Amino acid sequence: GAGVSQTPSNKVTEKGKYVELRCDPISGHTALYWYRQSLGQGPEFLIYFQGTGAADDSGLPNDRFFAVRPEGSVSTLKIQRTERGDSAVYLCASSLGGGADTQYFGPGTRLTVL
Amino acid sequence: AQSVTQLGSHVSVSEGALVLLRCNYSSSVPPYLFWYVQYPNQGLQLLLKYTSAATLVKGINGFEAEFKKSETSFHLTKPSAHMSDAAEYFCAVSESQGAQKLVFGQGTRLTINP
Repeated sequence: GAGVSQTPSNKVTEKGKYVELRCDPISGHTALYWYRQSLGQGPEFLIYFQGTGAADDSGLPNDRFFAVRPEGSVSTLKIQRTERGDSAVYLCASSLGGGADTQYFGPGTRLTVL
Repeated sequence: AQSVTQLGSHVSVSEGALVLLRCNYSSSVPPYLFWYVQYPNQGLQLLLKYTSAATLVKGINGFEAEFKKSETSFHLTKPSAHMSDAAEYFCAVSESQGAQKLVFGQGTRLTINP
């Protein structure tokens, strides 16, 4: 079946602009996660949704970052007033439930802020 | 707070030799432990996971890992390396109670020499 998909695969923007990154989870998966991976580092947790609600947003670095999942399926990560330090690969994962359920990762969106 | 330390950002072995990738974790509650692999230009793929059943866990592609509570370790091994094993490997931990997020190590890049 189809895996987790993310669009766009690459996004180049200018400092100060607004960007939206989209994640389509595996059908039927109730849990959805966003991570950020900087060059040479492991992925870093940003936010976790269970259904439509953000169950844990402790990883969002500041109030420029926001994510939604209005119908419990597709999620959008929104970044306002982008900064060069936001450049990274943004990864989305989904799992059937929470706990030890395997998180399946998408290919990521590479964001470059010039 | 949880953390993961992967000893050695780069490991190089000869084809046919033993692969050993080290992972140590810290967690205040019983952990779930994971190894993910990232092939060039591909997303993260689960190799294996420990969820408090058998301490020796077998995964895909001939890899296995042993949970050692006394050493807070979850090292990844494979008896005989193949050229196709060249990739980046990430160890991750999550809490067995409460938080669903994965905390990743910095990763180990495995190179296989012919």
